[in-house]
Amino acid sequence: NAGVTQTPKFQVLKTGQSMTLQCAQDMNHEYMSWYRQDPGMGLRLIHYSVGAGITDQGEVPNGYNVSRSTTEDFPLRLLSAAPSQTSVYFCASSGTSGTGANVLTFGAGSRLTVL
Amino acid sequence: GQNIDQPTEMTATEGAIVQINCTYQTSGFNGLFWYQQHAGEAPTFLSYNVLDGLEEKGRFSSFLSRSKGYSYLLLKELQMKDSASYLCAVMDSNYQLIWGAGTKLIIKP
Repeated sequence: NAGVTQTPKFQVLKTGQSMTLQCAQDMNHEYMSWYRQDPGMGLRLIHYSVGAGITDQGEVPNGYNVSRSTTEDFPLRLLSAAPSQTSVYFCASSGTSGTGANVLTFGAGSRLTVL
Repeated sequence: GQNIDQPTEMTATEGAIVQINCTYQTSGFNGLFWYQQHAGEAPTFLSYNVLDGLEEKGRFSSFLSRSKGYSYLLLKELQMKDSASYLCAVMDSNYQLIWGAGTKLIIKP
């Protein structure tokens, strides 16, 4: 099992550009989420999904879009990048029942710089 | 508002014991998690507490007191590889995770 695969690992964008961070998991997890991590702050939830076709906003959704067309994939789209979106982004997934329910498995992270 | 507090940084000596505290104020409680995060890497799960008391897992133990809104992570026989950030997170009544900013643990030989 690959777990959670997240790409790219590094990306530099110019203000106003758009891009998509890819996330895929092979654990058949219902729950998937995107976080950003900034120095001195806790992980902040951007968007999440409890199953295919269902998405919802987290704490800091502005400037980001998501979709969940399959159980495996949960891409995060930056619509028009701003310097404030410079951060490290993590995709995470978990099962919602049984042993290990709600225990997040994280992708390796994507370091995004917006100039 | 919801809040998780943990010390920003701690230093300990190889072979010693260290306790990392976490206090929380949240809307409801559905469990408390500890994750370890090495620099430049993703967080990895360490422990989960939902009932009061101590959960032991090898060199790591986690304690919870729901009445006091308090948890700690105890690391014994510290090794250099334990140098990392330790993240405390609480699952609130809506099953959303509230994260602390993390405690950076520095291990000195």
